[in-house]
Amino acid sequence: SQKIEQNSEALNIQEGKTATLTCNYTNYSPAYLQWYRQDPGRGPVFLLLIRENEKEKRKERLKVTFDTTLKQSLFHITASQPADSATYLCALEGYSSASKIIFGSGTRLSIRP
Amino acid sequence: SAVISQKPSRDICQRGTSLTIQCQVDSQVTMMFWYRQQPGQSLTLIATANQGSEATYESGFVIDKFPISRPNLTFSTLTVSNMSPEDSSIYLCSVGTGGTNTGELFFGEGSRLTVL
Repeated sequence: SQKIEQNSEALNIQEGKTATLTCNYTNYSPAYLQWYRQDPGRGPVFLLLIRENEKEKRKERLKVTFDTTLKQSLFHITASQPADSATYLCALEGYSSASKIIFGSGTRLSIRP
Repeated sequence: SAVISQKPSRDICQRGTSLTIQCQVDSQVTMMFWYRQQPGQSLTLIATANQGSEATYESGFVIDKFPISRPNLTFSTLTVSNMSPEDSSIYLCSVGTGGTNTGELFFGEGSRLTVL
């Protein structure tokens, strides 16, 4: 069955450093990969979408890579700030118009001052 | 973008009762999605709600337990029927922005249900 794996352990990073989160998937060939941020008690907020034919995408301090051979995406936050502390979710969508978006369980990121 | 309002934001319910969650979007959208997020877990898609047709349910979810209405392009409801403590969860409404694909999802703030 389709499976998305994100590091279930919380990631603790010193402010100013680059945080790198990993998303691995199996039994799936996604057309699109997305990253969301979720704060406690809130709904997820969309951050970035990358297509299967794109290797990398950037948005301000965020960078996403997508390696369809390794079946892996890396999500980087450069110059991290305490305000970046949240849970980050990886999500995949297939090619078909009927494909649904499936989510990983998320990685909790904590940036300490 | 889309702004989504969900009601109630939280509720405590008794076993055996039913609760209806409302989702209002500030623009017309074709597809609306209902997700469930249990504590510490990922989001699980319950069903896709298209206006003018029956909702499409994912494996493990049935209409009798989670009836959905979609009377127009800006509104949907999800009912959690005959609740048990296992239904305690956050229920999230979302809409997609894409054309041929779903695109980015916009989510409501969620409805946190606790069943005693």
